[in-house]
Amino acid sequence: QKEVEQDPGPLSVPEGAIVSLNCTYSNSAFQYFMWYRQYSRKGPELLMYTYSSGNKEDGRFTAQVDKSSKYISLFIRDSQPSDSATYLCAMSATSGTYKYIFGTGTRLKVLA
Amino acid sequence: DAGVTQSPTHLIKTRGQQVTLRCSPKSGHDTVSWYQQALGQGPQFIFQYYEEEERQRGNFPDRFSGHQFPNYSSELNVNALLLGDSALYLCASSGQGAWGETQYFGPGTRLLVL
Repeated sequence: QKEVEQDPGPLSVPEGAIVSLNCTYSNSAFQYFMWYRQYSRKGPELLMYTYSSGNKEDGRFTAQVDKSSKYISLFIRDSQPSDSATYLCAMSATSGTYKYIFGTGTRLKVLA
Repeated sequence: DAGVTQSPTHLIKTRGQQVTLRCSPKSGHDTVSWYQQALGQGPQFIFQYYEEEERQRGNFPDRFSGHQFPNYSSELNVNALLLGDSALYLCASSGQGAWGETQYFGPGTRLLVL
């Protein structure tokens, strides 16, 4: 069993839809949770960073962490075609700067 | 403010050869991590360098080695290349001590082993 599970998709949604992306994990020591966006043939770009449980909002993006269920989510409101990319969740037990464990990534396509 | 830079952008090698990839961290960062990303997969942690020493290592063979220089830049070396080493190699940099600090990634070096 992988430490971090993420549905690879692809996920296709119409422009303007609310997108929900999720990861589950098995290691209860994870405390730092990140979401990255990766366009084709590019490096990952940090979207959200959260520590422990709770919600964090930044513009159209909301990150949720439920440590009791070992489940994290990223919501994208008013999705745009430019949001079409692969979304990677990443986790760390020690700090935000130590070894990250990534999910496989979910491919998202927002249709105009 | 320049972000993380990597060179070269693309590289083609043959089996058995050796390769060196380079990374310059974001300004103000002193820690460099390297990841391997195979096609359709998430990045896999190779190792991390801090104060010119390897601080953490993932499940990669000794063919993968690295170095960090006094200016915090870093190199990743891979010896005896295998076809399975074909991947996007990502460098990430981070700082120390500040709460909320996280890793910022470069554009990657795409390595193809024939």
